[in-house]
Amino acid sequence: DAGVIQSPRHEVTEMGQEVTLRCKPISGHDYLFWYRQTMMRGLELLIYFNNNVPIDDSGMPEDRFSAKMPNASFSTLKIQPSEPRDSAVYFCASISMGLVTEAFFGQGTRLTVV
Amino acid sequence: DQQVKQNSPSLSVQEGRISILNCDYTNSMFDYFLWYKKYPAEGPTFLISISSIKDKNEDGRFTVFLNKSAKHLSLHIVPSQPGDSAVYFCAALGKNTGFQKLVFGTGTRLLVSP
Repeated sequence: DAGVIQSPRHEVTEMGQEVTLRCKPISGHDYLFWYRQTMMRGLELLIYFNNNVPIDDSGMPEDRFSAKMPNASFSTLKIQPSEPRDSAVYFCASISMGLVTEAFFGQGTRLTVV
Repeated sequence: DQQVKQNSPSLSVQEGRISILNCDYTNSMFDYFLWYKKYPAEGPTFLISISSIKDKNEDGRFTVFLNKSAKHLSLHIVPSQPGDSAVYFCAALGKNTGFQKLVFGTGTRLLVSP
């Protein structure tokens, strides 16, 4: 397995535009997490899924943020409209809660909103 | 509400000495704890973990200690090496049905000088 794959690695967009971040988890993992890295909050949990179903989205900062997981191999995090304060590195991680006791992270997407 | 806290944003240590990174958590439902290491422009990588039924786990130069009554864990690196310079994140995992989530702290930046 190639690990958790995120795309794009870098995204620069103008304020007000829609941004979509993508994640492909490790095959067989039943949990997928989206995090945002900030200086103040470290790795901030935004939302997570179990078997493609959103379990807890209380970490999503505003209604401008949404996430989907249409199947076991793909998830998206969308920001619409984007704002400069959304600029951060966004990580996706997956884990098999029953068998494996470590979460594997993607390389992250560095988002810059100008 | 920060459920996992790393109160030291940075730590400087000389090569060969011991590095001690601390972490506190608030929710007793967490039953598994992990440490991750992160280099710039990379995703976090797993370092070491400990189950709540143990109080110590050792892997080479890395040892994690857990004090459940104090809801506190620490990571000891000895001897410290310049290549250990990175940001270290503490994470707490709930594996029990009804409480399965992975929450990270704010991180501690470790600098090991030659």
